[in-house]
Amino acid sequence: AIRMTQSPSSLSASTGDRVTITCRASQGISSYLAWYQQKPGKAPNLLIYAASTLQSGVPSRFSGSGSGTDFTLTISCLQSEDFATYYCQQYYSYPWTFGQGSTVEI
Amino acid sequence: EVQLVESGGDLVQPGGSLRLSCAASGFTFSSYWMSWVRQAPGKGLEWVANINQHGSDIYYVDSVKGRLTISRDNAKNSLYLQMNSLRAEDTAVYYCARGSSGWNFPDYWGQGTLVTVSS
Repeated sequence: AIRMTQSPSSLSASTGDRVTITCRASQGISSYLAWYQQKPGKAPNLLIYAASTLQSGVPSRFSGSGSGTDFTLTISCLQSEDFATYYCQQYYSYPWTFGQGSTVEI
Repeated sequence: EVQLVESGGDLVQPGGSLRLSCAASGFTFSSYWMSWVRQAPGKGLEWVANINQHGSDIYYVDSVKGRLTISRDNAKNSLYLQMNSLRAEDTAVYYCARGSSGWNFPDYWGQGTLVTVSS
């Protein structure tokens, strides 16, 4: 199985900050990567797919980049509603796998 | 509006069985792959199983093979997860998710149903 490793596992930030989360795959996955946001007690919400394509309705302050094994999720100007846990997921091959999550805290 | 509503979660003893259901609405259910993804309490997300539009193409994570079975009924717009020989490590919130057009990664998720395996 492809292992997905996110860093950092958690970070403290303030409203207005630029935040970057990285995700590394244990083998190349081309651009078959999605990012999800999850708030406590809620279902995950798709933010980005194909490594850099913004899902409809997601604010433009979210962006993704990368291909192969190294990927990043960037929030350009952190808003209060962005404090959550973020997961990357590869859909290049089965079994699909998620990163362990990165929690953005105040 | 896409809606996915899971049901069937419960407290069950180790070795027991349970059947989860997911009622879909707001889209043409028979045209999409569907997934089950789970999340143990306080832990991350784990993909469990996928099924194609016709139920003829199915994939599972190794840890559930032979114990959990994904199925669907397109006439009822419903997805199912039959869970047998349950173990404590199957304790989790189980999410039903729709596969996106094309690469089938989950694009819409239900709110989840909690399965607790404990004596």
